[in-house]
Amino acid sequence: GESVGLHLPTLSVQEGDNSIINCAYSNSASDYFIWYKQESGKGPQFIIDIRSNMDKRQGQRVTVLLNKTVKHLSLQIAATQPGDSAVYFCAESRPSGSARQLTFGSGTQLTVLP
Amino acid sequence: SQTIHQWPATLVQPVGSPLSLECTVEGTSNPNLYWYRQAAGRGLQLLFYSVGIGQISSEVPQNLSASRPQDRQFILSSKKLLLSDSGFYLCAWSPPRLGGRETQYFGPGTRLLVL
Repeated sequence: GESVGLHLPTLSVQEGDNSIINCAYSNSASDYFIWYKQESGKGPQFIIDIRSNMDKRQGQRVTVLLNKTVKHLSLQIAATQPGDSAVYFCAESRPSGSARQLTFGSGTQLTVLP
Repeated sequence: SQTIHQWPATLVQPVGSPLSLECTVEGTSNPNLYWYRQAAGRGLQLLFYSVGIGQISSEVPQNLSASRPQDRQFILSSKKLLLSDSGFYLCAWSPPRLGGRETQYFGPGTRLLVL
């Protein structure tokens, strides 16, 4: 069936190292992807997005990579900091009739070790 | 800039009691509005969305209902809460676009505990 899932439910990295969070999607009609960060007890915060006509997009310390061939999305965080500890969600968007549908993955818990 | 508010921040309610959660958005007109529920350690489940005043679409049949009495106000209600209604309720908005459900921006959430 359709799914947006994450390869790893948890990820621990040393402070200062780079983090890579992965996401797989199965619906080839998805043409827009978003990464969110959710800190404990707070709402998800938009980090970065990418459209399917791109394979890479960079923000401040974050990079999203999209591989449509294998339906894989990743979020790279450079020089991970303690404040990066959170749950990260990927979401896929695709046309659905006259509307669009946004489907969220289950999330990856990133823990930054001192 | 746009801001989204939710209240209350936390709520403890007995089983069978009514519920009303409110969400308001500032700084935009005719936004698309959404209600999600998030169980502990889980992902987001879309409950309702609205593309305009009085227009509500339900994604999951359940004990809850939603209303949009004003352009930037979205309310989640229940007449009788169940234990299974406990969770973290998130309101979100996206820029106005016909049928659009792309980038969504979330509020701070309401944590509901039904006892």
